[in-house]
Amino acid sequence: RKEVEQDPGPFNVPEGATVAFNCTYSNSASQSFFWYRQDCRKEPKLLMSVYSSGNEDGRFTAQLNRASQYISLLIRDSKLSDSATYLCVVTVYTGGFKTIFGAGTRLFVKA
Amino acid sequence: DAEITQSPRHKITETGRQVTLACHQTWNHNNMFWYRQDLGHGLRLIHYSYGVHDTNKGEVSDGYSVSRSNTEDLPLTLESAASSQTSVYFCASGTGTGGKAGYNEQFFGPGTRLTVL
Repeated sequence: RKEVEQDPGPFNVPEGATVAFNCTYSNSASQSFFWYRQDCRKEPKLLMSVYSSGNEDGRFTAQLNRASQYISLLIRDSKLSDSATYLCVVTVYTGGFKTIFGAGTRLFVKA
Repeated sequence: DAEITQSPRHKITETGRQVTLACHQTWNHNNMFWYRQDLGHGLRLIHYSYGVHDTNKGEVSDGYSVSRSNTEDLPLTLESAASSQTSVYFCASGTGTGGKAGYNEQFFGPGTRLTVL
């Protein structure tokens, strides 16, 4: 079992749709959680950190469920420019830090 | 503006050759990282550094080495390139002290696409 698992997609949605991605992690000692966005053939960039209380940034909402060991990303009112791969990232600290990237979920938003 | 750069952006080499990929950041970040990205896998950590003269192995460090002689640079060396090392390599930097590095955002360079024939 991978330490961080994501549905690879692709998710194909029309503009204006709401889309949700889930990510599960296996290590209960995981301490930090992030969503990164990666455009085709580009470098990953931080989209948002994920806090225990959940957090929202405009059309994006991230939530963490420690009991079930998953994090989610909700995108409302999808735009064409949201088309990208979304990477779930988890950091485990067990004496040394270990950052684990999921393989990503591909999103296509169509006009 | 502060940035992180990688060179070369594309490299083709032959099996057995030594290859060095450069990474340079002007953020003045303590922490620097090297990852490789392959289809079907997330980014996988090769080596990382918490500061000058500090280097640590990541999960896929075999066949790679790094050295950190200053804050700005963390070159990645493939001692004897193998076809299995064909990949896209990303360098990243970030803030935080030592084990706290993982709590903070990482800033990625544009990547180096390496092909080993």
